[in-house]
Amino acid sequence: DQQVKQNSPSLSVQEGRISILNCDYTNSMFDYFLWYKKYPAEGPTFLISISSIKDKNEDGRFTVFLNKSAKHLSLHIVPSQPGDSAVYFCAAQTQTGANNLFFGTGTRLTVIP
Amino acid sequence: DTGVSQDPRHKITKRGQNVTFRCDPISEHNRLYWYRQTLGQGPEFLTYFQNEAQLEKSRLLSDRFSAERPKGSFSTLEIQRTEQGDSAMYLCASSFRGRDNEQFFGPGTRLTVL
Repeated sequence: DQQVKQNSPSLSVQEGRISILNCDYTNSMFDYFLWYKKYPAEGPTFLISISSIKDKNEDGRFTVFLNKSAKHLSLHIVPSQPGDSAVYFCAAQTQTGANNLFFGTGTRLTVIP
Repeated sequence: DTGVSQDPRHKITKRGQNVTFRCDPISEHNRLYWYRQTLGQGPEFLTYFQNEAQLEKSRLLSDRFSAERPKGSFSTLEIQRTEQGDSAMYLCASSFRGRDNEQFFGPGTRLTVL
């Protein structure tokens, strides 16, 4: 049972344009959401996060939006750069117990120069 | 280096053999997690430690898997009688209690079972 879903396996965007990566979740107990970036042969690297008490969090070129009623979040990257090309994983947590992360299946972003 | 390290980075073994992986977390991180990532999937939680205590195990962690963190520092993950289905990337992450949102991942150990 995939509790966090990323329905787009891949996305290609021109350099300088906006990249929008989407994520849906099913478990209403999730109250913290994260985006990780992964390059080949490396572990996931934390990118940005958002608590369920917020609907937007911004960090430089990266903004995460959370729509709790729709159980949907998105990551906006603007402007996109070739170095952003990687696999992006959406992840979710509850703030109890193990605090382990539930990951989506990832979206491969390719930024075309 | 203050990051999470894992050893080995790659392991090729024959079905039925035992393998052991090591993870060295960021020092002073008292929580340590093991995840497994198979092709086309995101990482999946296996187990976690708070200091030396193993507090939770996923149903993915069959009886052939055992993990330890004897002194609350490094951890080992052993797989006995490996099967081809065990082929995956095994990721270790650590965090500081109270800041568990911030899990820092190591580079992973890629296991191939022939």
